[in-house]
Amino acid sequence: GAGVSQTPSNKVTEKGKYVELRCDPISGHTALYWYRQSLGQGPEFLIYFQGTGAADDSGLPNDRFFAVRPEGSVSTLKIQRTERGDSAVYLCASAGDPVLGTQYFGPGTRLTVL
Amino acid sequence: DAKTTQPPSMDCAEGRAANLPCNHSTISGNEYVYWYRQIHSQGPQYIIHGLKNNETNEMASLIITEDRKSSTLILPHATLRDTAVYYCIVRGIAGGTSYGKLTFGQGTILTVHP
Repeated sequence: GAGVSQTPSNKVTEKGKYVELRCDPISGHTALYWYRQSLGQGPEFLIYFQGTGAADDSGLPNDRFFAVRPEGSVSTLKIQRTERGDSAVYLCASAGDPVLGTQYFGPGTRLTVL
Repeated sequence: DAKTTQPPSMDCAEGRAANLPCNHSTISGNEYVYWYRQIHSQGPQYIIHGLKNNETNEMASLIITEDRKSSTLILPHATLRDTAVYYCIVRGIAGGTSYGKLTFGQGTILTVHP
């Protein structure tokens, strides 16, 4: 069985542009999490999905960030009007059970905003 | 979720046991201790977790003190490939509002040398 996959692995964009980052969770996992990791820091929580709905988006830094999971599987993290401070590795994790299930992480997408 | 304290770095000789400590003095009764590691440029990898009993799997052992205020991750025979950042995380379960999100600290940089 495949693990969590994320595309693209690297994304370079210019300040002010719009980007989309994709996450394919482990098949059958209902819980999906997005984290962001800045250089030299541990990952920081952004948003959590249970099924199709965002159950907790308290970690999203501002309204330029948005995430969807329309069919309860693949999720897309969307960033509008990117800023240089958005440069980071964006990690996705999925779990079979949101409360007790272990989270398994993808390899991440490295976003660089020039 | 309770905070954790880990030493910033540790060294270990290849073939020896690596013992990584973690303090979590404010842990509550329904919180688990999780360990993840992150090898350079990869997503975090799940290692092991426990509530109050010692746990062992194919990767490591987890020793939790009786008062649950601290724990130790043991890699019994460290190899060069175990060089990574190791994160100790306390995670809330049912009834909480954290929805199982992981709160990462700075972790311990473990360097295994020949």
